[in-house]
Amino acid sequence: ETGVTQTPRHLVMGMTNKKSLKCEQHLGHNAMYWYKQSAKKPLELMFVYSLEERVENNSVPSRFSPECPNSSHLFLHLHTLQPEDSALYLCASSQPGSYTEAFFGQGTRLTVV
Amino acid sequence: RKEVEQDPGPFNVPEGATVAFNCTYSNSASQSFFWYRQDCRKEPKLLMSVYSSGNEDGRFTAQLNRASQYISLLIRDSKLSDSATYLCVVNPPGNTPLVFGKGTRLSVIA
Repeated sequence: ETGVTQTPRHLVMGMTNKKSLKCEQHLGHNAMYWYKQSAKKPLELMFVYSLEERVENNSVPSRFSPECPNSSHLFLHLHTLQPEDSALYLCASSQPGSYTEAFFGQGTRLTVV
Repeated sequence: RKEVEQDPGPFNVPEGATVAFNCTYSNSASQSFFWYRQDCRKEPKLLMSVYSSGNEDGRFTAQLNRASQYISLLIRDSKLSDSATYLCVVNPPGNTPLVFGKGTRLSVIA
């Protein structure tokens, strides 16, 4: 148990569906991250939120829409995805300004059919 | 220079070998540093924090060179179970989120 919880763990969705991924942390961290990892590829940073404000958006297509309603929760809303969006989506949190590490959730394995 | 840069590998080494990875970072005021390990299809997990004096945990040694702006990870007596991707993580100054490297892939071969 890392303190960062992602749901669902697995998701299969059609290209016309709308779904959301959820990430929750109760570590008191102020920064939260979404990463995408395709098969055998490195982590790709998608979004970073710090104090509920988006501080980084790495040229992610608009079919991915993040939401950070408070510092404990982070969502990734998915709409009209493509099969190449199938990947492991990882959430992480950290406390900027401290000397401590980031913690990852176990990820959501997404398959787009 | 990229914020955090690692050689992607793969490093293919025989069991029992010693292998070292370096990671360079661009912001000289970075505050703290970490090595993570990621197994296939799993989330990254903290392996070691890197202190200015260097630190050792069993077969693993991490060192920081602030003058040259790199951190290193040394693995002695490699085991098959060490096969994974090793991620370098840098904590920039101020209230800035952590920056992850792309990782170095290690395969230990029997």
